Amino acid sequence: AQSVTQPDIHITVSEGASLELRCNYSYGATPYLFWYVQSPGQGLQLLLKYFSGDTLVQGIKGFEAEFKRSQSSFNLRKPSVHWSDAAEYFCAVPHAGGTSYGKLTFGQGTILTVHP
Amino acid sequence: DGGITQSPKYLFRKEGQNVTLSCEQNLNHDAMYWYRQDPGQGLRLIYYSQIVNDFQKGDIAEGYSVSREKKESFPLTVTSAQKNPTAFYLCASRRDRGNQPQHFGDGTRLSIL
Repeated sequence: AQSVTQPDIHITVSEGASLELRCNYSYGATPYLFWYVQSPGQGLQLLLKYFSGDTLVQGIKGFEAEFKRSQSSFNLRKPSVHWSDAAEYFCAVPHAGGTSYGKLTFGQGTILTVHP
Repeated sequence: DGGITQSPKYLFRKEGQNVTLSCEQNLNHDAMYWYRQDPGQGLRLIYYSQIVNDFQKGDIAEGYSVSREKKESFPLTVTSAQKNPTAFYLCASRRDRGNQPQHFGDGTRLSIL
């Protein structure tokens, strides 16, 4: 069965520093993968998605993610963090199988705190 | 602009009471989903629907019910059988084509009085 692990529950960085949020997945075939961001009390917003092709994917708000099949990882990165990036970030992978109906399995989330 | 509207933003339930959370989308999406979010547990799927008049249980359906009478609407009822209903509830929808992502509403926070 598919699964997603976000090893870091909480990460703190200084404004202007670089950021990398980790995501490891377990999936029987080549997956498609998503990163979402959630501000407090809000819904989830899609940051980026990987379907196939280029392993480095660009998203909104200056984020990018790299798909590494050999490491079963899809880590999210940003070269310079802004205070407005403070939020919770979720990695997601689809349910496997022909009747998945677009269902997603989400990681536990990583809370990002940004210090001025 | 198209989007997903969840109402109310905050909802309070008394013991033994059923409450209904609204979810409406004007994206013309076929599929709709309900999730429950608790701190540190990510999102857990309650129910989902691919087409009108059809829906399936997700991972934690006990104590919840849904209907899908219209394409744009997918209300969730939290029944009195749900003993721990305090949570943040998120509705999502998706175009049923290939690998399309889910799009989310802004959520409803349900609390017990």
